Amino acid sequence: ETGVTQTPRHLVMGMTNKKSLKCEQHLGHNAMYWYKQSAKKPLELMFVYSLEERVENNSVPSRFSPECPNSSHLFLHLHTLQPEDSALYLCASSQGGGRGDTQYFGPGTRLTVL
Amino acid sequence: AQTVTQSQPEMSVQEAETVTLSCTYDTSENNYYLFWYKQPPSRQMILVIRQEAYKQQNATENRFSVNFQKAAKSFSLKISDSQLGDTAMYFCAFMNPPGANAGNMLTFGGGTRLMVKP
Repeated sequence: ETGVTQTPRHLVMGMTNKKSLKCEQHLGHNAMYWYKQSAKKPLELMFVYSLEERVENNSVPSRFSPECPNSSHLFLHLHTLQPEDSALYLCASSQGGGRGDTQYFGPGTRLTVL
Repeated sequence: AQTVTQSQPEMSVQEAETVTLSCTYDTSENNYYLFWYKQPPSRQMILVIRQEAYKQQNATENRFSVNFQKAAKSFSLKISDSQLGDTAMYFCAFMNPPGANAGNMLTFGGGTRLMVKP
């Protein structure tokens, strides 16, 4: 595997379910990001981790819970979601700490909340 | 807060012709970074080109070039010799430097859907 991978690619869940999205980067980067891409809105930054510490939250509802166990892996735990949370969730990584580091994106997880 | 505006929701161009996508942004910083990303129908977001604000020379990458007008806060993308594979959503993005408000965070525009026609 190369670059940034995400699993699953598609997920359908009910509002009472608990699920997790997984992201893995194979680029040796130190920073990882979660973005939400909805049909009618620009990409929204949800969470940023740099060297495994969260540095940005962006007022995301608590039903989204990120986890970064090491610099290569990032999870987004989901529970009691709402239909409006249906979106494409993108993970990205960057070298971290530098100036204007390019972010490299994964293919995304298409989430549908019923 | 930074804002990025892409005023053209959709554009089309004939294969082999040239098209320009517009982007404007708002910031009080003097040094920052600008990006164009491409998102084809397969959904993988790919970096097209990157510009550092302190560099006056416009960035180029093969058929892709930018027209960076710092005073006007404008950052347009020109695609020359358009190919069918250029069909995608194109996103303009802005990044403040580390230490600034939301430093190192990308702010995206709403995107422009480009269709290249045979």
